[in-house]
Amino acid sequence: NAGVTQTPKFRVLKTGQSMTLLCAQDMNHEYMYWYRQDPGMGLRLIHYSVGEGTTAKGEVPDGYNVSRLKKQNFLLGLESAAPSQTSVYFCASSSARDSSYEQYFGPGTRLTVT
Amino acid sequence: AQSVTQLDSQVPVFEEAPVELRCNYSSSVSVYLFWYVQYPNQGLQLLLKYLSGSTLVKGINGFEAEFNKSQTSFHLRKPSVHISDTAEYFCAVSGAKGSTLGRLYFGRGTQLTVWP
Repeated sequence: NAGVTQTPKFRVLKTGQSMTLLCAQDMNHEYMYWYRQDPGMGLRLIHYSVGEGTTAKGEVPDGYNVSRLKKQNFLLGLESAAPSQTSVYFCASSSARDSSYEQYFGPGTRLTVT
Repeated sequence: AQSVTQLDSQVPVFEEAPVELRCNYSSSVSVYLFWYVQYPNQGLQLLLKYLSGSTLVKGINGFEAEFNKSQTSFHLRKPSVHISDTAEYFCAVSGAKGSTLGRLYFGRGTQLTVWP
């Protein structure tokens, strides 16, 4: 049982390049989330999904897109990377059957945009 | 919506000393409260959570937290810390009802450093 995994672990992009971050969970969770973590800012929600085929904006969605084509996967895309998107990205998932909606986190992806 | 304030960005303590990490929240609805820990270069791990019932919640690694509704606080405590407790700690809140159900709002984090 791997829990929540993220691919890749590290990436360096040039300004204007695009990339996709992949999140996968094997816990059959309905809800999935993408956060970014910046020093002194805590974690901020980018986008989230309450089920296959559905997505919604979080606090800081600009410059990102997401897709949830399969229940176990949640993709985060950067169409044209900017230095302001240099951050550590975390994916999380939670179960609709858990009344507390406790979130389980992946190990993170460290992205640098030059 | 909910919000969280962690009152200290850094807390240095000596090994075996007690520690308290402070967290205050703001919400117009009833809430669930969480403390997560992040060790260097790792993801977040749940320490403990308050859903309802007893206001004193015990978590992993000897940590506990007390929910105080009148003061809208959820402070984290440990009576005797170890060097291995050095990490960043995040307080988070979610709404127990309504449209915000399931969404977590995080504080900015408190870096706990334990010195020998």
